[in-house]
Amino acid sequence: DVKVTQSSRYLVKRTGEKVFLECVQDMDHENMFWYRQDPGLGLRLIYFSYDVKMKEKGDIPEGYSVSREKKERFSLILESASTNQTSMYLCASSLHISGQGSYEQYFGPGTRLTVT
Amino acid sequence: DAKTTQPPSMDCAEGRAANLPCNHSTISGNEYVYWYRQIHSQGPQYIIHGLKNNETNEMASLIITEDRKSSTLILPHATLRDTAVYYCIVDRDDKIIFGKGTRLHILP
Repeated sequence: DVKVTQSSRYLVKRTGEKVFLECVQDMDHENMFWYRQDPGLGLRLIYFSYDVKMKEKGDIPEGYSVSREKKERFSLILESASTNQTSMYLCASSLHISGQGSYEQYFGPGTRLTVT
Repeated sequence: DAKTTQPPSMDCAEGRAANLPCNHSTISGNEYVYWYRQIHSQGPQYIIHGLKNNETNEMASLIITEDRKSSTLILPHATLRDTAVYYCIVDRDDKIIFGKGTRLHILP
C-alpha cells in the first residue's frame, strides 16, 4: 500500500513562529503536493513539486514556501505563522505519467495547525 | 475555479445504489474525470477515473456521457461507511482542483 505520512496530526504554534510541516511518501512518486482545507472553501493547492528541487506555485502560495531535497520528502514552511494560516494541511503524492493527468493522488492523514 | 458542478448533498438508503452526478460542460478532449472521496477527519481517497469509456473497479463505476459533459459515479451497494464528501474533478495536468463536492449521507 502507498503510504504518505505527515509529521504531526496536531500542531499549535504562536504568531510569528517559523513552522515546518513534513511529508514523506514511500512509493517513489515523482509528484508531491501541499493543500490546505478550510470549512466552506474545500481543498486549495498551495505548492506542488514534479521532482527533486523543483517546485511550482499552486493557487494560494502567499505566506508559504516549500523544500524538496529528496524525492520522498516534501516540506511546507510557514516563514512567519499568522492566525489566518490556522487550517488543516494535507500532503499528497502521485506518479507522473505524461498526458494522463495527475493520476491518482495518495493523501496523508493531515496536520491540523492552530496558530494563536 | 473548479471546472465541475455537483449537488451539495444527497441521501441514499443503505444497500441501495448511490448515483452521484457531476457536470463538466467545459471539459476538453484530453482532460480526465477523477473522483475522490473524503471521510470525516481523513485525507481524500482516490476512487476512480476515466477519459471516454465507462470504468469499473472494486469501489465504484464511472459512467461518462458520450459528449463527455457529465458523468455519474455509482456506488452499487451503499453502506454506512460510504458516508463522505465526494469530489468530481477534471484534470489534464498534474495540478488538480477540488471543488466543494457532494456530501453523501447513507441512511440506515
